[in-house]
Amino acid sequence: SQKIEQNSEALNIQEGKTATLTCNYTNYSPAYLQWYRQDPGRGPVFLLLIRENEKEKRKERLKVTFDTTLKQSLFHITASQPADSATYLCALDLTGTASKLTFGTGTRLQVTL
Amino acid sequence: DADVTQTPRNRITKTGKRIMLECSQTKGHDRMYWYRQDPGLGLRLIYYSFDVKDINKGEISDGYSVSRQAQAKFSLSLESAIPNQTALYFCATSDKRSDTYNEQFFGPGTRLTVL
Repeated sequence: SQKIEQNSEALNIQEGKTATLTCNYTNYSPAYLQWYRQDPGRGPVFLLLIRENEKEKRKERLKVTFDTTLKQSLFHITASQPADSATYLCALDLTGTASKLTFGTGTRLQVTL
Repeated sequence: DADVTQTPRNRITKTGKRIMLECSQTKGHDRMYWYRQDPGLGLRLIYYSFDVKDINKGEISDGYSVSRQAQAKFSLSLESAIPNQTALYFCATSDKRSDTYNEQFFGPGTRLTVL
């Protein structure tokens, strides 16, 4: 079955730096890959979606890359701010129809002053 | 996101009790989902529904049942709660017809504790 791996250790970075989070997956490649943000005790919030034929997608300070050869997605936050501190989840859509998502366990990002 | 609401927000119950968690949405979305989240295990799909007459099991449906009473309402039941069902439960919606149909919108969650 499909396995998603995100670094379970928290990522601590200084304000203003670029945070890079990794999502690796096994087996076959998904048609889409999504990134969500989750704050403690709250539901995940969708950030970005990237399709298998897209190498990169940007939204404001966020950038996502998708390498189907490496079976990896990278999530970048440039000019990070303390407000960016949260857990970031990647999720795979294996069907291309949004019928089911498989979520990674998430990586907690802590941005300090 | 106030468009997807869950009740109750917190619930403590005892082993063997029947529990119902409710989810309502005002987004007009056709698809609804129930997930549970446990520390270290991430979000896992329990059930999902594409419309009122289409309900499907997710990866961890044992011990749970659902009811899609209307397009806007999707309830999750634990017929006989057990302690390992203690978790944070999320309802989510998505709309296949929109430009961002892959995006899922999550409710605020229900924290369930089974003693």
